Amino acid sequence: GQQLNQSPQSMFIQEGEDVSMNCTSSSIFNTWLWYKQEPGEGPVLLIALYKAGELTSNGRLTAQFGITRKDSFLNISASIPSDVGIYFCAGREGGSEKLVFGKGTKLTVNP
Amino acid sequence: GAGVSQSPSNKVTEKGKDVELRCDPISGHTALYWYRQSLGQGLEFLIYFQGNSAPDKSGLPSDRFSAERTGGSVSTLTIQRTQQEDSAVYLCASSPSGVYGYTFGSGTRLTVV
Repeated sequence: GQQLNQSPQSMFIQEGEDVSMNCTSSSIFNTWLWYKQEPGEGPVLLIALYKAGELTSNGRLTAQFGITRKDSFLNISASIPSDVGIYFCAGREGGSEKLVFGKGTKLTVNP
Repeated sequence: GAGVSQSPSNKVTEKGKDVELRCDPISGHTALYWYRQSLGQGLEFLIYFQGNSAPDKSGLPSDRFSAERTGGSVSTLTIQRTQQEDSAVYLCASSPSGVYGYTFGSGTRLTVV
């Protein structure tokens, strides 16, 4: 099935650094979402975006819905050790009820 | 409960056996989804239920996979004659109708030996 291109695949950063990750698609999406997954748990919704150009923040997290509707990015500012996990982007095409997921970005934060 | 509940949390089964995985969605959520997550991979859509409508089964990988949802609530995913490639984490999610930020359960880790 269709998958999103999510990059980078993994990141190793120092505590306090900013992080940026992105997703691209060959299809136009009506919804972009970002999830975080920790070991042994299901993904947890971080941010949902519904309009092209939309920029939304959730604490230190900021995500944008690309104006082409084919991409989205997630920024994390001033990273802390509890930011460790796998971050997934997900998108929904118009007329579809299901989400398509990227393969994830594994974030490691060194104290 | 407050969240999506899945059971069992872990299941080890022998190749060729049938398994049933259970999902209790959040009360009042009309949409229910099953996804599969293989090691190092993203989430792969399996099946979607919405209210009393016919389910979208387009993601089921073979006819060994089936799912049902009883009374618009609890759902069971059944895998018949399990194969080693069925080993994965099976995630269930639910949401109110028209809301696409699903709430996921913690998943069932299935290992076929």
